[in-house]
Amino acid sequence: AQSVTQPDIHITVSEGASLELRCNYSYGATPYLFWYVQSPGQGLQLLLKYFSGDTLVQGIKGFEAEFKRSQSSFNLRKPSVHWSDAAEYFCAVGGVGYGKLTFGQGTILTVHP
Amino acid sequence: GAGVSQSPSNKVTEKGKDVELRCDPISGHTALYWYRQSLGQGLEFLIYFQGNSAPDKSGLPSDRFSAERTGGSVSTLTIQRTQQEDSAVYLCASSLAGQRVSYNEQFFGPGTRLTVL
Repeated sequence: AQSVTQPDIHITVSEGASLELRCNYSYGATPYLFWYVQSPGQGLQLLLKYFSGDTLVQGIKGFEAEFKRSQSSFNLRKPSVHWSDAAEYFCAVGGVGYGKLTFGQGTILTVHP
Repeated sequence: GAGVSQSPSNKVTEKGKDVELRCDPISGHTALYWYRQSLGQGLEFLIYFQGNSAPDKSGLPSDRFSAERTGGSVSTLTIQRTQQEDSAVYLCASSLAGQRVSYNEQFFGPGTRLTVL
């Protein structure tokens, strides 16, 4: 069965600081990996996705993520956080087939001025 | 074009009542998904539609939950005899097609917040 673990429930950073959100997955085949962001009262917005190829993927809003198969990880990074990045971030895994997504528990990001 | 829309945005109901939640997918999207987001369980898959058929209902938590899709478009999620543990945000997503050999991005609606008193 596929699963996703986000070890950090809540992270606080200062504006301008770098950010790394952790994600570990379990999947029996080649995974499709995703990061979504959810602002309060909003739906989920796709930040970036990994299917194959280059293990470093670029997304919207200056985010990037690196797929490490040996560590079963897909961590999200941003070099300099903006106050508007405060939101909840979800890592998800899917696969070939009809694309059902399995989500992690989410990480709430708080940004201090 | 318009995104995925859901109605109502908020629903408060009494325990034991039935509720219907509606999802309007993006026009032309043949695949439709329902997810539930709750404090204790996070984001969980409920059901998947391809066209009007539901090949995967494995996430529906009990037989009080059902869903249908008509005309390959609008979908309704029905919860009968609601319980307090049904309180959650119900999210709908749609994509161009079922991802048999490739991936099509799922676009999410804003959700319906259900509160069962």
